[in-house]
Amino acid sequence: DGGITQSPKYLFRKEGQNVTLSCEQNLNHDAMYWYRQDPGQGLRLIYYSQIVNDFQKGDIAEGYSVSREKKESFPLTVTSAQKNPTAFYLCASREGGRSGANVLTFGAGSRLTVL
Amino acid sequence: QQQVKQSPQSLIVQKGGISIINCAYENTAFDYFPWYQQFPGKGPALLIAIRPDVSEKKEGRFTISFNKSAKQFSLHIMDSQPGDSATYFCAAVLNSGGSNYKLTFGKGTLLTVNP
Repeated sequence: DGGITQSPKYLFRKEGQNVTLSCEQNLNHDAMYWYRQDPGQGLRLIYYSQIVNDFQKGDIAEGYSVSREKKESFPLTVTSAQKNPTAFYLCASREGGRSGANVLTFGAGSRLTVL
Repeated sequence: QQQVKQSPQSLIVQKGGISIINCAYENTAFDYFPWYQQFPGKGPALLIAIRPDVSEKKEGRFTISFNKSAKQFSLHIMDSQPGDSATYFCAAVLNSGGSNYKLTFGKGTLLTVNP
């Protein structure tokens, strides 16, 4: 089955620790995205990558970092600088380019709780 | 600045009734308007989408109505069923056909359909 796999599904972290969320896709999509979801806030864009070895900040990038070394992988690191990291994190991908699909395909999400 | 405003925040409908969710936008450069459906603990999934040159699109029990002059669009769910209970997000896309694609979400509507 083609899709997006996010891991872990649940993660607990102590304050001051960095944590990395995994996102892998086998859809051969060019573009990948990370969103943060909080109750009543909708989905807010953290980072996105249109192509391997390139990525851009979204609307709420502070306290986060990403890498895009492989087309199928786009890990997100939540650093200790992120003041309020407890949230539901969603990874998405899109075919990209002028002929690409106009919509995003989402993974099942990772729920991070800071203790 | 909230570019896509969604209402209501929550909605309760009886089985068989019509559910209506409204969205408004400011940026006339948006060129694609998808709706996503999200069940608890899952990632959002595309439900239906419309381009601004079309006033209505129907897929089964789901219809998007689009008013370009008013910069408003809405989702209508006919014959609402308990299985439709979920959070619905409207969204608007910039540069849907290009490499500088950006999707902005509304804050979501929690729909509950009572049996």
